[in-house]
Amino acid sequence: SQTIHQWPATLVQPVGSPLSLECTVEGTSNPNLYWYRQAAGRGLQLLFYSVGIGQISSEVPQNLSASRPQDRQFILSSKKLLLSDSGFYLCALGLAGPFEQFFGPGTRLTVL
Amino acid sequence: QKEVEQNSGPLSVPEGAIASLNCTYSDRGSQSFFWYRQYSGKSPELIMFIYSNGDKEDGRFTAQLNKASQYVSLLIRDSQPSDSATYLCAVNEGAQKLVFGQGTRLTINP
Repeated sequence: SQTIHQWPATLVQPVGSPLSLECTVEGTSNPNLYWYRQAAGRGLQLLFYSVGIGQISSEVPQNLSASRPQDRQFILSSKKLLLSDSGFYLCALGLAGPFEQFFGPGTRLTVL
Repeated sequence: QKEVEQNSGPLSVPEGAIASLNCTYSDRGSQSFFWYRQYSGKSPELIMFIYSNGDKEDGRFTAQLNKASQYVSLLIRDSQPSDSATYLCAVNEGAQKLVFGQGTRLTINP
């Protein structure tokens, strides 16, 4: 079965600092990968998804970017964090056909 | 924009009773429907999925789908305090994306 790793688990960053969150998956090949953000007490907001290496679709224009340098690696970045970037960042793996998605443990980001 | 609507709750149910969670969706072309459970501070966990009209049972959980009414529900029988969580409804949008509802917070009272 597939496993999703995310790090770091928690992060506290000052406004204006850069960001790099990493997601790696095991147990599957050529998965669809997703980045979601969940603000406190809110639903899931899809940020980016990728169907393959180097292929990134952006759902919400903002100061974040994503990259997929390897089949099982998905990275979320920012050059300058905003207070509004605080939240729970979730990487998800999608399976073809059933459209099911499975979530990693998440990274809780606090921007001060 | 495809929409998935859930009552945010909180929904309070006594232990041992049936909890009923509801979800409506806007896209008639949706084919796959999912229920996720999210404990406070944790990531969502897939607990049920359904593709066909009718009921699907898995242990204490039953998912119900009515495509004509664009309505999907989750029933939890013999509710336990460990069922206290936020339940997220999700619906596929095309072949690659899911649209999530805002979630319903469920509390099971001992």
